[in-house]
Amino acid sequence: GAGVSQTPSNKVTEKGKYVELRCDPISGHTALYWYRQSLGQGPEFLIYFQGTGAADDSGLPNDRFFAVRPEGSVSTLKIQRTERGDSAVYLCASSARTGRMAGELFFGEGSRLTVL
Amino acid sequence: DQQVKQNSPSLSVQEGRISILNCDYTNSMFDYFLWYKKYPAEGPTFLISISSIKDKNEDGRFTVFLNKSAKHLSLHIVPSQPGDSAVYFCAHSQGGSEKLVFGKGTKLTVNP
Repeated sequence: GAGVSQTPSNKVTEKGKYVELRCDPISGHTALYWYRQSLGQGPEFLIYFQGTGAADDSGLPNDRFFAVRPEGSVSTLKIQRTERGDSAVYLCASSARTGRMAGELFFGEGSRLTVL
Repeated sequence: DQQVKQNSPSLSVQEGRISILNCDYTNSMFDYFLWYKKYPAEGPTFLISISSIKDKNEDGRFTVFLNKSAKHLSLHIVPSQPGDSAVYFCAHSQGGSEKLVFGKGTKLTVNP
């Protein structure tokens, strides 16, 4: 499809396990973002990529969270030693913008992570 | 630290009437504000935006107003339609940063 694709759509894991969430952005979009949305909250910024590099990772909550985008397209969000508090919907978005001005982000449907 | 507040968790409006969704913010550098709409089990979709150099931006049934002295943002939908029923998030970009700060959202229900 033409939109942002995220897999898996749902992931249930046990506390302490490792999880990978994948994002396939809109073709040609150089900017890629990860956000996290907990129940009753708005999306919370995690990390922003411009091309292959993480331009801003100030939203990653701790060193258990890591994201990569090795070829400037697909990105993987990696969570080590998952905790129950990591349960949330992880949203990926992409944008064609390359400047500093924030603009329209195109979001995927999200990956719902449940940590038991 | 940026803060964006949507103080009304829900709003119910009759079809054909005006819906007014509100948002307050704390910082006042050169800013950029956006509204997103979210249906259940879908990602947020962009609706309309405004930069802090403007007071108003209009796109069809949707108008966003920015009151800089009050640090207040509002989204007007007129006339409201049942398909507008969704959760609406305001988002704030401080200084044109790529990092958006979202409010908690307001759930709009438009009754036929």
